[in-house]
Amino acid sequence: EADIYQTPRYLVIGTGKKITLECSQTMGHDKMYWYQQDPGMELHLIHYSYGVNSTEKGDLSSESTVSRIRTEHFPLTLESARPSHTSQYLCASSAGQGAEAFFGQGTRLTVV
Amino acid sequence: AQKITQTQPGMFVQEKEAVTLDCTYDTSDPSYGLFWYKQPSSGEMIFLIYQGSYDQQNATEGRYSLNFQKARKSANLVISASQLGDSAMYFCAMRPIYNDMRFGAGTRLTVKP
Repeated sequence: EADIYQTPRYLVIGTGKKITLECSQTMGHDKMYWYQQDPGMELHLIHYSYGVNSTEKGDLSSESTVSRIRTEHFPLTLESARPSHTSQYLCASSAGQGAEAFFGQGTRLTVV
Repeated sequence: AQKITQTQPGMFVQEKEAVTLDCTYDTSDPSYGLFWYKQPSSGEMIFLIYQGSYDQQNATEGRYSLNFQKARKSANLVISASQLGDSAMYFCAMRPIYNDMRFGAGTRLTVKP
């Protein structure tokens, strides 16, 4: 059983609000990832991290920020939510190159 | 940048039959890992199988096997003896040694009784 947790599971928020999606893992993994996925569609990489104080942008990163102050914690912040941000957000972590990524249960975000 | 292509948006298979889901990739890194994930309608991502770029043998995990053809840059997933519970989205992913993990667009598999 993977030990990676996302909160909240579901969130409905108004346009223009600032929100932070939480992701924590207890496996000591260095690599962590954030993906955005519309239902039944492909996963788009938003941000990733190779370790503490390391963050890199993915394909859809321009409207969000991340931080990695502790190994186990990788929060994603949307500074100003828009309806186009309505989607599912998946957090994942992995150990070395040959190791699979473990995924959290996801946060389903709706911006009204 | 690496690219992963899954050309089959949807596939149908009869229960108990085998099915092959296609995946091709492109990378300039000599060392990389290839992964397949299953995503049922519940939305969770379930890891199925892994193949390293230097592995000599094709990976197998129970009913799942990976048909790895390095020269053709393909990593097809074979599911033997399909079950109704195999109906789901299937994603191919790749992670080069010094890079992030990227996914293909996915294939929706439907198993018919």
